[in-house]
Amino acid sequence: AQRVTQPEKLLSVFKGAPVELKCNYSYSGSPELFWYVQYSRQRLQLLLRHISRESIKGFTADLNKGETSFHLKKPFAQEEDSAMYYCALNYGGSQGNLIFGKGTKLSVKP
Amino acid sequence: DTGVSQNPRHKITKRGQNVTFRCDPISEHNRLYWYRQTLGQGPEFLTYFQNEAQLEKSRLLSDRFSAERPKGSFSTLEIQRTEQGDSAMYLCASSLGGEQHFGDGTRLSIL
Repeated sequence: AQRVTQPEKLLSVFKGAPVELKCNYSYSGSPELFWYVQYSRQRLQLLLRHISRESIKGFTADLNKGETSFHLKKPFAQEEDSAMYYCALNYGGSQGNLIFGKGTKLSVKP
Repeated sequence: DTGVSQNPRHKITKRGQNVTFRCDPISEHNRLYWYRQTLGQGPEFLTYFQNEAQLEKSRLLSDRFSAERPKGSFSTLEIQRTEQGDSAMYLCASSLGGEQHFGDGTRLSIL
């Protein structure tokens, strides 16, 4: 069965430190993975998707099929990065149905 | 366009009552999704529409739940005979087949 695991509920770093939010998935098909972010009092929004291979707000994520991982990384965290981050897997093919991880709360301290 | 709009923002009701939520997607989006999110969890898929057709329903969607999208525009999610376990944030998202755009959600509280 398909599954998305985010092992850390909370990740706390200091401003300027590197950050890595972990995401592992289980899926028998060809995976399509996303990172969504929810800032305080805002709606859930797409941060990046693996197929676009772009960097958004300094964040990158590489799909590693061997390790079934899609970790989110940023070399220098900023206070405005503090938010809830969700990894999501498209298991519905062209329908686009998503399964989300439980989320990791990132706290960047000054 | 203000994005996906959900009403009401918060619904408080007594156990056993029926409730209905509304979602207005981004106007040109043909796909509409409903999710449920409880404390400490990520959103869980409930159901999916392409235009007016409901193409998939999760096992989470018991017989007490029904969703419609009558003209392929707005959608409603109704919960009959609400139970304590229905307390959650109900999220709606829409897309054209790519990025899903989420609304602010409707928070349901069961007394």
